[in-house]
Amino acid sequence: DQQVKQNSPSLSVQEGRISILNCDYTNSMFDYFLWYKKYPAEGPTFLISISSIKDKNEDGRFTVFLNKSAKHLSLHIVPSQPGDSAVYFCAADMYSGGGADGLTFGKGTHLIIQP
Amino acid sequence: DAGVTQSPTHLIKTRGQQVTLRCSPISGHKSVSWYQQVLGQGPQFIFQYYEKEERGRGNFPDRFSARQFPNYSSELNVNALLLGDSALYLCASSPRVDEQYFGPGTRLTVT
Repeated sequence: DQQVKQNSPSLSVQEGRISILNCDYTNSMFDYFLWYKKYPAEGPTFLISISSIKDKNEDGRFTVFLNKSAKHLSLHIVPSQPGDSAVYFCAADMYSGGGADGLTFGKGTHLIIQP
Repeated sequence: DAGVTQSPTHLIKTRGQQVTLRCSPISGHKSVSWYQQVLGQGPQFIFQYYEKEERGRGNFPDRFSARQFPNYSSELNVNALLLGDSALYLCASSPRVDEQYFGPGTRLTVT
């Protein structure tokens, strides 16, 4: 049973436009959420995170929104650039549990930025 | 600063064999976690070690074991390899719970 779901395996967006990647979770014990970006032949790279006490966190072109009641989060990238083409993973953690259960990842969304 | 390093980069093993994967964390990081990423899936948590002690374990059989050394480097061992163990094995180090820095991974192929 997947606790973190990314229902779009791929997403194609034109350069300069907004990219919106979505993620749903089922475990209400999750209280910390992260987005990672992965290029081929490299490990995942941390992008941005959000605690469950917030509903928005921004870092430059990246903004993560959290809707706890819907158990949904989204990553917005504005404007999208060719270097953003990668696989994006949503991950969740039980921070209050000390993180000893590790991160729970979704299957990823392959973002393709079209010139 | 050097990132997380893993060795080897690739290896091929036969069913029933044993394999050892190695990870060196970022300097100053005392926690190391291991993840398995099967093709088409997200990484799945295997172990977390902190100060040489196992702090957490994912839903993996006892064929998987790990340890952390006094210099905080870590090894992941898998015994009695199965075809289904073919995956990218990722190591992540962290200074604290919420930041995990991943290495490039070891690609294991079991034939």
